[in-house]
Amino acid sequence: TQLLEQSPQFLSIQEGENLTVYCNSSSVFSSLQWYRQEPGEGPVLLVTVVTGGEVKKLKRLTFQFGDARKDSSLHITAAQPGDTGLYLCAGDTSLQETSGSRLTFGEGTQLTVNP
Amino acid sequence: NAGVTQTPKFQVLKTGQSMTLQCAQDMNHNSMYWYRQDPGMGLRLIYYSASEGTTDKGEVPNGYNVSRLNKREFSLRLESAAPSQTSVYFCASTEGTIGTEAFFGQGTRLTVV
Repeated sequence: TQLLEQSPQFLSIQEGENLTVYCNSSSVFSSLQWYRQEPGEGPVLLVTVVTGGEVKKLKRLTFQFGDARKDSSLHITAAQPGDTGLYLCAGDTSLQETSGSRLTFGEGTQLTVNP
Repeated sequence: NAGVTQTPKFQVLKTGQSMTLQCAQDMNHNSMYWYRQDPGMGLRLIYYSASEGTTDKGEVPNGYNVSRLNKREFSLRLESAAPSQTSVYFCASTEGTIGTEAFFGQGTRLTVV
């Protein structure tokens, strides 16, 4: 079983719709990140959240870190075909600044936005 | 800027053969990682190196070994390849402090027949 569970695993929507992707765990994370991956490429960072309850916005994307730092959500407003891709959450289980980060990824959400 | 470079990009092995995947980063990062990505499984951590001279097991280390050759290079070795190791392998690096961005290579698509 994965430490981080993402839902839904697949999502196919029409252009202009809103959507939310969830990332849940029973573990506490020192930080949580969201990445986006295109076919044939490595993941690329979208955002990092560190503080419980933190909300960050990146244009039409809104990211939230749960108060207990165990879960996160990604909300996309008015989705566009260019948003199509694999979205991955990643939690850092490191407890100390000096121990180096250990990133654990969720299973990913494959988003398809149809024109 | 090269970032993280992985070689080779594609490889086909026969069951029982060995090979080493190479990874190098030019960002002076402290921490390096090896992941495998299978359909529906996201990225699973095989091994990581928090800093030069240290390596630790991740979620799925069985059948693999790693070497942190120096600060720049982190290699992954399959001693006796098995079909279950067919996957896409990604190397990544970070500065090593909590919450810093992970930079990924382009991936190695490995098929074991």
